[in-house]
Amino acid sequence: NAGVTQTPKFQVLKTGQSMTLQCAQDMNHEYMSWYRQDPGMGLRLIHYSVGAGITDQGEVPNGYNVSRSTTEDFPLRLLSAAPSQTSVYFCASSRNDRADQPQHFGDGTRLSIL
Amino acid sequence: AQKVTQAQTEISVVEKEDVTLDCVYETRDTTYYLFWYKQPPSGELVFLIRRNSFDEQNEISGRYSWNFQKSTSSFNFTITASQVVDSAVYFCALSGNTGGFKTIFGAGTRLFVKA
Repeated sequence: NAGVTQTPKFQVLKTGQSMTLQCAQDMNHEYMSWYRQDPGMGLRLIHYSVGAGITDQGEVPNGYNVSRSTTEDFPLRLLSAAPSQTSVYFCASSRNDRADQPQHFGDGTRLSIL
Repeated sequence: AQKVTQAQTEISVVEKEDVTLDCVYETRDTTYYLFWYKQPPSGELVFLIRRNSFDEQNEISGRYSWNFQKSTSSFNFTITASQVVDSAVYFCALSGNTGGFKTIFGAGTRLFVKA
């Protein structure tokens, strides 16, 4: 079982470049989300989706776009990379958006913006 | 507003010692859920346990135990007879009805277990 798959695992960008972080899950989960992890700040929610065609902003959405055209895929786009977006990014999924659902995480993408 | 506080940034113990990781939360919800996740050095986050706000029974799973106390808004995690493989960052998280069921994570506690 693949679970949640994120690509790439590592990426270095220059300021102003754009890129897409890929996330796919094979568990038929309705709920998917993107977090960033920064030292001393835990995980902060960037965007989330409760199902195909539905997305919404989390705590720190600025500079990022998402789409959810299928149940399986939830890509995160950096529109114009900035050094402040240097972070480790995690994609997660859960069966639905109920509060009792634990989340399944991908292995993370370590992103550096120069 | 919901908040999760893990005041211990780093803890270092020697193998076989017991260690408790603290988690204090704030919420106005009457129904909510608390979680613990483990992030080993390899980087992935792994779900450990979930507790709902109506169940204050302590939970024990092998060397792991969790103490949930609503009176002090705490959900502490104890590892008994720690092992080197327990070295990881541990996150406490809260999810409730407020804010669209989004999960709020604490800052994490990094645990070092030395041989």
